[in-house]
Amino acid sequence: DQQVKQNSPSLSVQEGRISILNCDYTNSMFDYFLWYKKYPAEGPTFLISISSIKDKNEDGRFTVFLNKSAKHLSLHIVPSQPGDSAVYFCAASNNAGGTSYGKLTFGQGTILTVHP
Amino acid sequence: KAGVTQTPRYLIKTRGQQVTLSCSPISGHRSVSWYQQTPGQGLQFLFEYFSETQRNKGNFPGRFSGRQFSNSRSEMNVSTLELGDSALYLCASSLAGFREQFFGPGTRLTVL
Repeated sequence: DQQVKQNSPSLSVQEGRISILNCDYTNSMFDYFLWYKKYPAEGPTFLISISSIKDKNEDGRFTVFLNKSAKHLSLHIVPSQPGDSAVYFCAASNNAGGTSYGKLTFGQGTILTVHP
Repeated sequence: KAGVTQTPRYLIKTRGQQVTLSCSPISGHRSVSWYQQTPGQGLQFLFEYFSETQRNKGNFPGRFSGRQFSNSRSEMNVSTLELGDSALYLCASSLAGFREQFFGPGTRLTVL
């Protein structure tokens, strides 16, 4: 039962253009969402997060959009740079009664390649 | 501020053995979570510790266990290793009350 899905295994983008990474979830109890970037042989690096009470959050070149009715979120990277090439994971958190702290449910990841 | 550290970085064991992995969280972080990453299953939650208590547990057999010490450092133990336990084991820490988790570099466990 995959509650967080990233349906695109890979995405290829030209340097300077926009990268859009998508994520869908099925559990309506998720109320906090995060994006991580991962390079080979390293742990995931936190990028940006969004609470379910918001529909957008920006941090520099990164913007996350949340559409609760569609149970969909997306990460926009503008402009894309070759150093952004990595695996991107979306993750979801459900703090039902404070019992689920610490548990992140991850998607399978999307490999982003940014070409110079 | 130093990040999350994990030791050892690489480990090779044989079936039936047991292994202990160690994690030191970011200073001031009291919550430590453990995850297993495999090519087939992706990143899966193992368990979370806060103030030396296991607060949450994922869907893994009892061979997987952990503990947390008073200085927030954590260890996880896998007993009776199986070939399928070969994975990258990741530790993450977070501040109390915050959902953002910060990951260490992981321990690559190979079971032969």
